Amino acid sequence: KNQVEQSPQSLIILEGKNCTLQCNYTVSPFSNLRWYKQDTGRGPVSLTIMTFSENTKSNGRYTATLDADTKQSSLHITASQLSDSASYICVVGTSSGNNRLAFGKGNQVVVIP
Amino acid sequence: KAGVTQTPRYLIKTRGQQVTLSCSPISGHRSVSWYQQTPGQGLQFLFEYFSETQRNKGNFPGRFSGRQFSNSRSEMNVSTLELGDSALYLCASSSSAGVRTGELFFGEGSRLTVL
Repeated sequence: KNQVEQSPQSLIILEGKNCTLQCNYTVSPFSNLRWYKQDTGRGPVSLTIMTFSENTKSNGRYTATLDADTKQSSLHITASQLSDSASYICVVGTSSGNNRLAFGKGNQVVVIP
Repeated sequence: KAGVTQTPRYLIKTRGQQVTLSCSPISGHRSVSWYQQTPGQGLQFLFEYFSETQRNKGNFPGRFSGRQFSNSRSEMNVSTLELGDSALYLCASSSSAGVRTGELFFGEGSRLTVL
């Protein structure tokens, strides 16, 4: 069964500090891995998309890494801001089957001043 | 460029009723996909439509159905509503690459409450 596990489930960080979110997956065959940011009451917004051959991708203060051998990804947030308070969802795409996307349940991040 | 528009944003129904949700994709996007989001299960893929044809389908019962029109607008329908259908229903549009490889642009969602 294709699964995506994210950790920690939630965390609180001080404004200006860095944090790293983890995503482990068992999806096979692997097609791509995406990170989305979802503010409360809003739809998810894409941060990064990585294919098998990419191991790092940045979007401003967000940097995603991918280790396809160990099936792990991380999302690093640098110099956090209050607006970074959101749920971060890891999504893994597969090239087979009808259910082409497997979703993690998200990392809930709260940034406090 | 206008984003993905979903209507209605909020609705309340009772068990046994049916509901229709609408999604207008970004202009030029031909792929529209639907998702159910609940606190317990997170995001789950419902189905994807591309050029009026269902291209992929998730593991949901037949009570969940959808369609896509020639202008790429899409609707999803849930019949015989159950309490467990209470959720945020999200629609996403994508270019020709679709769900498998394309970037997804989500709408703000339709929050359904079943009483």
